[in-house]
Amino acid sequence: GAVVSQHPSRVICKSGTSVKIECRSLDFQATTMFWYRQFPKQSLMLMATSNEGSKATYEQGVEKDKFLINHASLTLSTLTVTSAHPEDSSFYICSAQGLAGIRQFFGPGTRLTVL
Amino acid sequence: DAKTTQPNSMESNEEEPVHLPCNHSTISGTDYIHWYRQLPSQGPEYVIHGLTSNVNNRMASLAIAEDRKSSTLILHRATLRDAAVYYCILRDVRRGNEKLTFGTGTRLTIIP
Repeated sequence: GAVVSQHPSRVICKSGTSVKIECRSLDFQATTMFWYRQFPKQSLMLMATSNEGSKATYEQGVEKDKFLINHASLTLSTLTVTSAHPEDSSFYICSAQGLAGIRQFFGPGTRLTVL
Repeated sequence: DAKTTQPNSMESNEEEPVHLPCNHSTISGTDYIHWYRQLPSQGPEYVIHGLTSNVNNRMASLAIAEDRKSSTLILHRATLRDAAVYYCILRDVRRGNEKLTFGTGTRLTIIP
């Protein structure tokens, strides 16, 4: 099946710094990528949907200026958590889908810890 | 959006079949039924999907009720690697790249 990678898999940073997470579709063109956040013992919550070459659509309650999403190519989307704080500590997961796809392919996730 | 209802948790013995139920009484005619699962500390992975007919693949089988208001994911012979949270999700076939809305899912524990 299709493969989606995320980098880094784990990151620890100080409060106030910015962190960039990359999501790559390795063997297919992802016209749409999704970013999710998952807190411990909770389900995945969608943060935003991004289509290649256009601005991301954010879910209600997600600050677009804090969580910057760039989807500049059909194989790469990035999520930047700006001025991270301890409450941003979470498991961030991306998924990708091709133009005619029915299923989404998920990355392995990035665990962010903000001290 | 049509919602799904699943039991919070289930247990099964290793090497026995597992039937994971999902209720979706408000399903529309254009909603596909998708199942994903999430192993500990990993991103979700696709399991199976269907519209009206029962479906089989190498991972599982999906049995869909005739009125489509419920479905059952069947793992024919559970292994310890099948311990995961299983999510039943409806997705409208008309909406192209529509987002997946995850509920709380069913946490499946496999007993050795």
